[in-house]
Amino acid sequence: DIVMTQSPDSLAVSLGERATIDCKSSRSVLHVLSNKSYLAWYQQKPGQPPKLLIYWSSTRQSGVPDRFSGSGSGTDFTLTISNVQAEDVAIYFCQQYYSSPLTFGGGTKVEIK
Amino acid sequence: QVQLQESGPGLVKPSETLSLTCSVSNGSISNYFLTWIRQSQGKGLEWIGHIYYTGSTTYNPSLKSRVTISVDTSKNQFSLRLSSVIAADTAVYYCSRMAGRIARGMSYFDYGLDVWGQGTTVTVSS
Repeated sequence: DIVMTQSPDSLAVSLGERATIDCKSSRSVLHVLSNKSYLAWYQQKPGQPPKLLIYWSSTRQSGVPDRFSGSGSGTDFTLTISNVQAEDVAIYFCQQYYSSPLTFGGGTKVEIK
Repeated sequence: QVQLQESGPGLVKPSETLSLTCSVSNGSISNYFLTWIRQSQGKGLEWIGHIYYTGSTTYNPSLKSRVTISVDTSKNQFSLRLSSVIAADTAVYYCSRMAGRIARGMSYFDYGLDVWGQGTTVTVSS
């Protein structure tokens, strides 16, 4: 299984500041032929299911604000929330869909300072 | 807008079988991997398995001996059965979907899990 490790477990940021979440996979999730990393990011608010934010490590899902951005390739990835808003308080998960079993990171809780 | 909705008992006795159904509305299940995921306090998000709309299944090895996922294309539904449940199977169960295809025996996934059901809480207790 590919193990996904997120850091930090939680972070508190001021409104308008930047939040950075890291995700590391135990094996590369880069598909050589397509040159795409099979890595997604999700946002989960209390009492709600996860919501897809980013796929292919850096492509925003339709309707996701452009303050959310993803970067990275291979085994190291980052989700950046620029200009954090109050509604961004949530837990964020990374997930690899390169191979089964699909696996998720442990989550990062983002709070407002 | 495509919607997924889980249904099934919220309480299951130990050693019995958990059965859930996911109904897909306002959209087709063709060309999707129809997926079950669960979330418990202790283990975060755990992928249980999926079924391609054609019926091909893949399960998490950690649950494989107890899991069956099936699809009913005529009803736009897919189902989960988890046998011999124990307290550790207590969780919120979500259904979801991922676009993709199967070619030459290989599964190719696209875009991530783009639509999720609201989730249903299942408690295993006598």
